[in-house]
Amino acid sequence: KQEVTQIPAALSVPEGENLVLNCSFTDSAIYNLQWFRQDPGKGLTSLLLIQSSQREQTSGRLNASLDKSSGRSTLYIAASQPGDSATYLCAVPREDSGGSNYKLTFGKGTLLTVNP
Amino acid sequence: NAGVTQTPKFQVLKTGQSMTLQCAQDMNHEYMSWYRQDPGMGLRLIHYSVGAGITDQGEVPNGYNVSRSTTEDFPLRLLSAAPSQTSVYFCASSYFRPWLAGGRFYNEQFFGPGTRLTVL
Repeated sequence: KQEVTQIPAALSVPEGENLVLNCSFTDSAIYNLQWFRQDPGKGLTSLLLIQSSQREQTSGRLNASLDKSSGRSTLYIAASQPGDSATYLCAVPREDSGGSNYKLTFGKGTLLTVNP
Repeated sequence: NAGVTQTPKFQVLKTGQSMTLQCAQDMNHEYMSWYRQDPGMGLRLIHYSVGAGITDQGEVPNGYNVSRSTTEDFPLRLLSAAPSQTSVYFCASSYFRPWLAGGRFYNEQFFGPGTRLTVL
């Protein structure tokens, strides 16, 4: 059974700081890994999708890395801003014997607060 | 594109009542799914569908029914609501392609805004 863990559960940083959010997963047989952002009372917004053949994916100030062999992914946020305050979740699909991934397993998220 | 839409945004039910949560997407995605999000439990998959007429159970299917008569719509039905079904419900959709050896599988998930359900 795939388990996804995100550490820390909460993080508070001053504006302008660079930071790293961590995601680990127990089953390395994954197609890809996706990072989401969730604002309070809102739905999930997709930030980055890393395919299993990739090591990194970048979008603006965000950089996500993937190390399948160690079961880890990191989300790096450069020059953090108060508007980055949200919960960040990672999710992986489970690869089954049929070769299709029907089920996405989520971590419980990291609550990020960026203080002005 | 409206993306993934969900109605209603909020709903209060009494125990034993039934209702349907609506989900629609205009991206021609084959794959659609329903999740519930509870404090301390994270997001859990209820049901999913890989195309019109095809549905299957996720981690927590009990008490919920789904059907997929069109590519665009994937309603979630609560037949007899219970307080344990108080939660925030999210619908998601994505492209779905069978994995081919050496090929690529692209399935970025797009989520709706959610329905906050309270069962008294």
